[in-house]
Amino acid sequence: GAVVSQHPSRVICKSGTSVKIECRSLDFQATTMFWYRQFPKQSLMLMATSNEGSKATYEQGVEKDKFLINHASLTLSTLTVTSAHPEDSSFYICSAWDRDGYTFGSGTRLTVV
Amino acid sequence: AQKITQTQPGMFVQEKEAVTLDCTYDTSDQSYGLFWYKQPSSGEMIFLIYQGSYDEQNATEGRYSLNFQKARKSANLVISASQLGDSAMYFCAMREGSGNSGYALNFGKGTSLLVTP
Repeated sequence: GAVVSQHPSRVICKSGTSVKIECRSLDFQATTMFWYRQFPKQSLMLMATSNEGSKATYEQGVEKDKFLINHASLTLSTLTVTSAHPEDSSFYICSAWDRDGYTFGSGTRLTVV
Repeated sequence: AQKITQTQPGMFVQEKEAVTLDCTYDTSDQSYGLFWYKQPSSGEMIFLIYQGSYDEQNATEGRYSLNFQKARKSANLVISASQLGDSAMYFCAMREGSGNSGYALNFGKGTSLLVTP
C-alpha cells in the first residue's frame, strides 16, 4: 500500500532555533499534502494544505511566517517551524492525498526546551 | 461549529465483547465521506473503515463495521470481539465534498478505548 515516510520521528530543539520536518511519499505522487498538529490527548487540528508547486493555504490562527511549508515536488513536502518556542511542542503529522485516498506519515514529536 | 462530535471521551470493554463508539457529524454537502482511524500510543494513524455518503450498505472491514444512519447524521463504529490490542484512541473524521478532490479531513475529539482482560 501507499507509504508516507515522515522524519524525524522525534526531535528536541532549543528555544529560538528552527526545525524541519519532512514527509515523502514513497510509491505514489501526493497531489495534496495536509499538515496537522496534535496536542496531548487532543484531536488532530489542520494547520495548512499544500499543493505541489503552489503556496500553502493556512488555517485561521496558524502563523504562516512561523510554520513554513514547502511542497516543491509531488513526492516531498516539508514543514519548518521557525524560531521555535516551548508552546510549539506538539505532535506534527502529515497526510498525503491522491485519488486513492489519504495516507498519513508516522508523525513527529517536537519538544522545544 | 464542530463538524464531528464524539461524545465518549473514554470507553471500557471486556475482551471478546463488542463495543460501539459514537460519532455524529454536521454538513450541508450531499457528497461526503466518513472515516474512522485508530491511533495507538505510538501516534500513527491507522485507517479502519470508510463510508461514502451515497453508499447504501453499511461498511464492514473484518471486525469493524460502521453503523451509518444518514438521516440522523451518525456514523458509529462497531468493534466486534474486542482484543487487548484494540486499546487506543479512535477518531471519527469527515471529508466534505467528493473524493475526486483533495479536501482535508475534519477530526472529532476522539474516544479512548480500553480493553480489559
